[in-house]
Amino acid sequence: SQQGEEDPQALSIQEGENATMNCSYKTSINNLQWYRQNSGRGLVHLILIRSNEREKHSGRLRVTLDTSKKSSSLLITASRAADTASYFCATSLSGYSTLTFGKGTMLLVSP
Amino acid sequence: ETGVTQTPRHLVMGMTNKKSLKCEQHLGHNAMYWYKQSAKKPLELMFVYSLEERVENNSVPSRFSPECPNSSHLFLHLHTLQPEDSALYLCASSQGGGATDTQYFGPGTRLTVL
Repeated sequence: SQQGEEDPQALSIQEGENATMNCSYKTSINNLQWYRQNSGRGLVHLILIRSNEREKHSGRLRVTLDTSKKSSSLLITASRAADTASYFCATSLSGYSTLTFGKGTMLLVSP
Repeated sequence: ETGVTQTPRHLVMGMTNKKSLKCEQHLGHNAMYWYKQSAKKPLELMFVYSLEERVENNSVPSRFSPECPNSSHLFLHLHTLQPEDSALYLCASSQGGGATDTQYFGPGTRLTVL
């Protein structure tokens, strides 16, 4: 069964606005990672948050993790047209080494 | 550029053809992966190689055959594919096969099976 599931499936905003994407998962995890994919290209790693961390920042990105709710959120502040892409969360299950990806959130940032 | 290259970038093949996808990583990593990405589906892990040994095979049909001759190269040999195998095939590598290792992806091969 699918481990990570992103919400919403698609998000359309204006430049300068903030974008928030959520990820829910079903079982205990070792860590959670967020990746970005531009149309038809490979995925690019954005940030990793471990199961014992609650919040992490990287530039305009802010990731939170709530293990009690089995959920994570990715916030992109002051969005730019170049942020237009699909965003995926990927979980690594406790005791396993491979990543399980969700279906992703398609973000469109209009100028 | 992520340091992972894939060739070809696009491939159209008939169901009776035999072709191979190639992946090369220039990062000195020890683990390599093949993923399949179909429309409206989660990314599916197909194979994992760690130190040139296959450590995971996620019930992939035998018409897909991986090969890892060394830690820098990974191939996916294709034969007698079906139209439903049309997808974006992504290769990735990581330093180790561990749970905290970041995976670096290639640009993918867009495969169309006629």
